[in-house]
Amino acid sequence: NAGVTQTPKFQVLKTGQSMTLQCAQDMNHEYMSWYRQDPGMGLRLIHYSVGAGITDQGEVPNGYNVSRSTTEDFPLRLLSAAPSQTSVYFCAISESRPMNTEAFFGQGTRLTVV
Amino acid sequence: SQKIEQNSEALNIQEGKTATLTCNYTNYSPAYLQWYRQDPGRGPVFLLLIRENEKEKRKERLKVTFDTTLKQSLFHITASQPADSATYLCALRSNNLFFGTGTRLTVIP
Repeated sequence: NAGVTQTPKFQVLKTGQSMTLQCAQDMNHEYMSWYRQDPGMGLRLIHYSVGAGITDQGEVPNGYNVSRSTTEDFPLRLLSAAPSQTSVYFCAISESRPMNTEAFFGQGTRLTVV
Repeated sequence: SQKIEQNSEALNIQEGKTATLTCNYTNYSPAYLQWYRQDPGRGPVFLLLIRENEKEKRKERLKVTFDTTLKQSLFHITASQPADSATYLCALRSNNLFFGTGTRLTVIP
């Protein structure tokens, strides 16, 4: 039971390149989300999903796309990477749209855009 | 605008003392407030949840208070140990989960 698995752990991109950050869960939780964490800014919500086929924007969605075709997977796509997207990205899941349930986080993906 | 402020970026205390971390929020009406621990290079890990109608919650050496009038939560670690050194994040639950910037706690032996 791995919980939440993020791949890759580290990535360096050149400006303008595209890539997909993977998030997979084996806890059968409905709610999945992506955050970015920057020094002094805390964790900021990028996109989230309340179930397969349903996605919505968070606080900082620009430059990112998501899709949710299965319960298990919630990939985050950077279409044209910019240096401002250098950050640590976390995927988080919870049983339902977060009310009284805890969130489980992956180990993070450290992305550098040069 | 909505804000969640943890007003100490870093806190150093002596081993054995009680650490008190503060979380203040504005323009939110959360039904729940949570605290997480984050170690370097790792994702946050859930510690405690407190509901708006609860004044206090305890778990082992941890205690959380939630004052919706003051819009503040206090997080206490009693009998602190060097292993408690980490960054602690408060988070508000409304439709989604919103985080403060965190307080980096260092417990000095």
